[in-house]
Amino acid sequence: KNEVEQSPQNLTAQEGEFITINCSYSVGISALHWLQQHPGGGIVSLFMLSSGKKKHGRLIATINIQEKHSSLHITASHPRDSAVYICAADKGINTDKLIFGTGTRLQVFP
Amino acid sequence: EPEVTQTPSHQVTQMGQEVILRCVPISNHLYFYWYRQILGQKVEFLVSFYNNEISEKSEIFDDQFSVERPDGSNFTLKIRSTKLEDSAMYFCASSGSEDSTQYFGPGTRLTVL
Repeated sequence: KNEVEQSPQNLTAQEGEFITINCSYSVGISALHWLQQHPGGGIVSLFMLSSGKKKHGRLIATINIQEKHSSLHITASHPRDSAVYICAADKGINTDKLIFGTGTRLQVFP
Repeated sequence: EPEVTQTPSHQVTQMGQEVILRCVPISNHLYFYWYRQILGQKVEFLVSFYNNEISEKSEIFDDQFSVERPDGSNFTLKIRSTKLEDSAMYFCASSGSEDSTQYFGPGTRLTVL
């Protein structure tokens, strides 16, 4: 079983829709990262969070440590949001390794 | 805004050849990482590097792989004798501290023929 699971694997939406991508993890973590991978392959860090909620523009990330679950929300989605969204678990101070989920492919249509 | 850069963007090589992938991390960062992503698969950690030495490596990072910071700006990944299964996208990342955001480079696509 993967230590980091994402759902859904694929997501399509109409422009303007509210998007939610989920991430569950089975390991203890010090932080959870959300990353965006563009169609060309480049990766951009969106959020790193260890508790609560963070917001940047139209993106909101939340984490529930007790339930080992995090969500990434996109409000008022736009075709330029089309990308693969990846969550990655940082297991803590004794390791540098990030454990990646398989990603959620989002396509937003105009 | 400072960014991590990687060269080349695409490298094609013959099986058995040595390749060196280059990265220029963000200038005041101290922690450096290499990841790879085989086509269609998830990103995997290869190695982390701090204070001029490897701090952690994965089981993928065998004797065929090495990393170096030859000067104050570059961080390289060398694959001594490439195999077909080394074909992947290789990402470099850097961070300012052990528990801060990692900034990723655009990746180098390695194709081994």
